Amino acid sequence: DGGITQSPKYLFRKEGQNVTLSCEQNLNHDAMYWYRQDPGQGLRLIYYSQIVNDFQKGDIAEGYSVSREKKESFPLTVTSAQKNPTAFYLCASSMGQGVVALHFGNGTRLTVT
Amino acid sequence: GQQVMQIPQYQHVQEGEDFTTYCNSSTTLSNIQWYKQRPGGHPVFLIQLVKSGEVKKQKRLTFQFGEAKKNSSLHITATQTTDVGTYFCAARVSGGSYIPTFGRGTSLIVHP
Repeated sequence: DGGITQSPKYLFRKEGQNVTLSCEQNLNHDAMYWYRQDPGQGLRLIYYSQIVNDFQKGDIAEGYSVSREKKESFPLTVTSAQKNPTAFYLCASSMGQGVVALHFGNGTRLTVT
Repeated sequence: GQQVMQIPQYQHVQEGEDFTTYCNSSTTLSNIQWYKQRPGGHPVFLIQLVKSGEVKKQKRLTFQFGEAKKNSSLHITATQTTDVGTYFCAARVSGGSYIPTFGRGTSLIVHP
């Protein structure tokens, strides 16, 4: 079955440590996205990538970094510069630009103490 | 960024009652999508509306796009416990980025 895989489902880190969240898709989608979800805040865009080796900042990119070396993979690094990293992180993909639906992974719940 | 206001934030209903969530924008939208997120799950695409005044139905769910393309609604008739979850709208502004902006969502709680 095609889909988006995020791992791990739960992640715990100490404050001051960088952490990388994995996102892999086998849908052959060109575009990939990272969203952050906090209670009552909806989904806020962190980064997005339209093609391999290219990515753009979203609304809340500070304290995060990404790479897009392969079409299938779009890992997100939460750096120590992110002031409030504890959240639910969702990766999504779509066939491309324009009027297309987003397909989401199951998410990673990150807790930083 | 562009704001999409979604109301209400929460809605409690008795099973069998109807439910409606609304999305409003101050700017004209090129299209609007609706997603459902079950508790503990991830958002799942439900539908997309593109045309002014468009109405689409999926069983007990009715989706509408306003004539001015600045608002949309999702109406559920005779709710069931399986309808529990958070419903999000996601909209693209006319002439703007292709990336959709999500509303804050409406959490539906259905009491049996």
